[in-house]
Amino acid sequence: QVQLQQWGAGLLKPSETLSLTCAVYGGSFSGSYWSWIRQPPGKGLEWIGEINHSGSTNYNPSLKSRVTISVDTSKSQFSLKLSSVTAADLAVYYCARGGDGDYGFFSYYYMDVWGKGTTVTVSS
Amino acid sequence: SSELTQDPAVSVALGQTVRITCQGNSLRSYYATWYQQKPGQAPVLVIYGRNNRPSGIPDRFSGSSSGNTASLTITGAQAEDEADYYCNSRDSSGNHMVFGGGTKLTVL
Repeated sequence: QVQLQQWGAGLLKPSETLSLTCAVYGGSFSGSYWSWIRQPPGKGLEWIGEINHSGSTNYNPSLKSRVTISVDTSKSQFSLKLSSVTAADLAVYYCARGGDGDYGFFSYYYMDVWGKGTTVTVSS
Repeated sequence: SSELTQDPAVSVALGQTVRITCQGNSLRSYYATWYQQKPGQAPVLVIYGRNNRPSGIPDRFSGSSSGNTASLTITGAQAEDEADYYCNSRDSSGNHMVFGGGTKLTVL
């Protein structure tokens, strides 16, 4: 059974770079999407971006200028960097495994395994 | 702003049936995926694809879709179903994922 373990600095100062890593245990790293999602306190989920095992990325347009997601297949890990953080980046950050499929015309995407979340605080 | 729209809150009497909806243009091309999130916990996948439930998700959860609207139905809601529910799909470009704003379900 696949499990995701995530870690990284939880307290940052404004303008610093957020750095989180997620390790994949118990399953194959290939054939899946690897995503980052965040959730500000009391608010909904926001997709940050994704990477596949070959390194192809997609990012949320609202964060694209500050986000880098990378993968280290040798370690079955993927990472998130978010630069120039502000108080607006205060959130719980989750990593997740994604998959997809289709029924002809209709496609679907899902995230079936999630990390436990890392709370990131930004304070001077 | 989210490209997927959900009602902020819905309530249901214990044992009754409730439908949670999600609207968006991308749902004309992509099936919605549904997640359940309880306070302090990571989201849990409950419905994906046409109407698929991961192992461990009770069969009282089901999904459907029509036009630009996707629905999550809980038939015989239980107290443990009280949670936030989020829909999710690719956006209209197909390159990004979007979440609905979430629906808080209260079981009375």
